[in-house]
Amino acid sequence: EVQLLESGGGLVQPGGSLRLSCEASGFTFSSYAMSWVRQAPGKGLEWVSSITGSDGRTFYADSVKGRFTISRDNSKNTVDLLMNSLRAEDTAVYYCAKLSNLWDNDGWGQGTLVTVSS
Amino acid sequence: EIVLTQSPATLSLSPGEGATLSCRASQSVTTYLAWYQQKPGQAPRLLIYGASNRATGIPARFTGSGSGTDFTLTISSLEPEDFAVYYCQQRSNWPRTFGQGTKVEIK
Repeated sequence: EVQLLESGGGLVQPGGSLRLSCEASGFTFSSYAMSWVRQAPGKGLEWVSSITGSDGRTFYADSVKGRFTISRDNSKNTVDLLMNSLRAEDTAVYYCAKLSNLWDNDGWGQGTLVTVSS
Repeated sequence: EIVLTQSPATLSLSPGEGATLSCRASQSVTTYLAWYQQKPGQAPRLLIYGASNRATGIPARFTGSGSGTDFTLTISSLEPEDFAVYYCQQRSNWPRTFGQGTKVEIK
């Protein structure tokens, strides 16, 4: 069974930084791409970033490009999202998701809340 | 960026009734479209991938159809647990994009 456990959320001031982490289990981690998807309070889903399984190619939404960095450690089964220069509009629940071989989000964590406020 | 437009925004239906949800893409995504269900306080769940393939464990009352720019999610007979928000998402191009969601609520 796929299990994804996010951590690292919290309250941060505008302009600050935060690192989210997602620990995966129940599947061969290095074989699958992973994503971060966020959801602002009361709003819909927004794709943030993805990283491939073995070669670590990265993709970003324009709204976070240059500020966020996705990375993975296949030896620890973790995927991280380093968030810099945070803005109020980055406030959201951040979900870690496993991508299937067809690049659909077929497994999700329960999310971690990031609040950007002074 | 491919824009996905879902309609209607809200569907008010009774258990046992059928539901038809629409997702329209601003350009062709061939069949690279998925549907997700999200209940309050929960993470999304993959329902349909490749426009028409049910994900593991998804009941047969959920059917996806369409290709190109027009897609439909049909729920044949609503069960109490089906009242939720449904999102479509394309994986044809970067950036990946979601529709704004359709809420299926109890009438």
